[in-house]
Amino acid sequence: AQSVTQLDSHVSVSEGTPVLLRCNYSSSYSPSLFWYVQHPNKGLQLLLKYTSAATLVKGINGFEAEFKKSETSFHLTKPSAHMSDAAEYFCVVTPYDSGGGADGLTFGKGTHLIIQP
Amino acid sequence: GAGVSQSPRYKVAKRGQDVALRCDPISGHVSLFWYQQALGQGPEFLTYFQNEAQLDKSGLPSDRFFAERPEGSVSTLKIQRTQQEDSAVYLCASSLFSDRVHGYTFGSGTRLTVV
Repeated sequence: AQSVTQLDSHVSVSEGTPVLLRCNYSSSYSPSLFWYVQHPNKGLQLLLKYTSAATLVKGINGFEAEFKKSETSFHLTKPSAHMSDAAEYFCVVTPYDSGGGADGLTFGKGTHLIIQP
Repeated sequence: GAGVSQSPRYKVAKRGQDVALRCDPISGHVSLFWYQQALGQGPEFLTYFQNEAQLDKSGLPSDRFFAERPEGSVSTLKIQRTQQEDSAVYLCASSLFSDRVHGYTFGSGTRLTVV
């Protein structure tokens, strides 16, 4: 079984200040973890993924996330927020699996990121 | 194609009506997933295809939901006798690989409203 908890339903930051979106997970297996972003009326876009390689993962648009097994966390950060970052962000877990099997992606409930001018 | 295409973008159905939602994955993608996203929630897994084989349908909420991918490319999600609780955005995703870890390309979804 696996689950994802996004600790904040809404986060508001000023443009140019750092962004922190928090995510904790639980998984019976060594997990793969993703962050996706969803802009209004747009499809989900992959920001970054962790698949048991380097624990600090760099993604698109200046975002990065650090996998911390001891804390079961995978928080998303960005040093300086831009207005275009305003969107819904989803933390996602799936059990590492090299050959199919059951269970798709398990999504968190999402964090709405608001950027103040 | 360049991305995952879903049609229609919007669908309004009267309660009790049957609907069919289409997904055109990226050409050559092996894996195809359907997800249901209720308002204000994260997407929830419905079903998974590897080529034409439906390997997992554990997320389908009732026997009114049926999905197929007969030739291993285009997939259709059918909902019979729609109910108001079926109102949601239905997302399709595809992946080149058959494993789960490489990330997926999502379509923009079909927003279904049952009135």
